[in-house]
Amino acid sequence: EPEVTQTPSHQVTQMGQEVILRCVPISNHLYFYWYRQILGQKVEFLVSFYNNEISEKSEIFDDQFSVERPDGSNFTLKIRSTKLEDSAMYFCASSVGRQNGADTQYFGPGTRLTVL
Amino acid sequence: AQSVSQHNHHVILSEAASLELGCNYSYGGTVNLFWYVQYPGQHLQLLLKYFSGDPLVKGIKGFEAEFIKSKFSFNLRKPSVQWSDTAEYFCAVNRVAAGNKLTFGGGTRVLVKP
Repeated sequence: EPEVTQTPSHQVTQMGQEVILRCVPISNHLYFYWYRQILGQKVEFLVSFYNNEISEKSEIFDDQFSVERPDGSNFTLKIRSTKLEDSAMYFCASSVGRQNGADTQYFGPGTRLTVL
Repeated sequence: AQSVSQHNHHVILSEAASLELGCNYSYGGTVNLFWYVQYPGQHLQLLLKYFSGDPLVKGIKGFEAEFIKSKFSFNLRKPSVQWSDTAEYFCAVNRVAAGNKLTFGGGTRVLVKP
C-alpha cells in the first residue's frame, strides 16, 4: 500500500538556521499538506498546496515558512530562520483531491524538529 | 473559529471492555468527519470517515462512529477492545466551506491493559 514518506525523522538545528523538511506524497495525489504538533498541543494545519501553488494557509504560516514541489515527487517545507517555538513534530499529508472536501488525507510518519 | 473537542485525554481500560471516545465540534455548516489513530511509534492512520449518508460508519479493526448532527458529535466506539488498540486517537473535522484543511481535536490516549 502506498505511503507518504518523510525525511529526516529527526532534525536538530540551532536557532536562526534554515531547515528543509522533505516529504514524498503518494504518487497519484494532487493535494499536499503540512501540519505540525507542538509537544502537548493539538495537531495544527499549516498549509495546503495544489497545482504548484498554495491553496490555503494558516496564520502560523508566516513569511518564515515556504513550501515547494521542486520535482515530480518531493514536497518540501522550509523554515527560513528557525525559532525555539518552531520545535514540533511536522507531518506531511497528501490526498487525491475531491470536491467538497470529501477527500481523505494520508499522513506521513512526521519529522521531529528540535530547535536549540 | 472552528474547534474540535475530545473530552477524554486519557482512557485506561481492560481487554474486552467497551470503548467510547467523544468528539464534538463547534461549526454548524456541512462537515466531513474523521477519526485517525496513531499507534506507538507509527504515523497517523485513518480509522474511519464520514462524508454523507448513513450516520453510523464502520471503520477498520472493529471501530465504528456515529455522527449526530443535532449534537455536533462524532463519537468513536468499539464494543470489545484488545491490547493492540493501545494508541492515541484523534478526531478531525473538515469544514466543507473552508477548503480541505483538517482541524484536529486534542487526542485521547487509550491504554488497554492485557
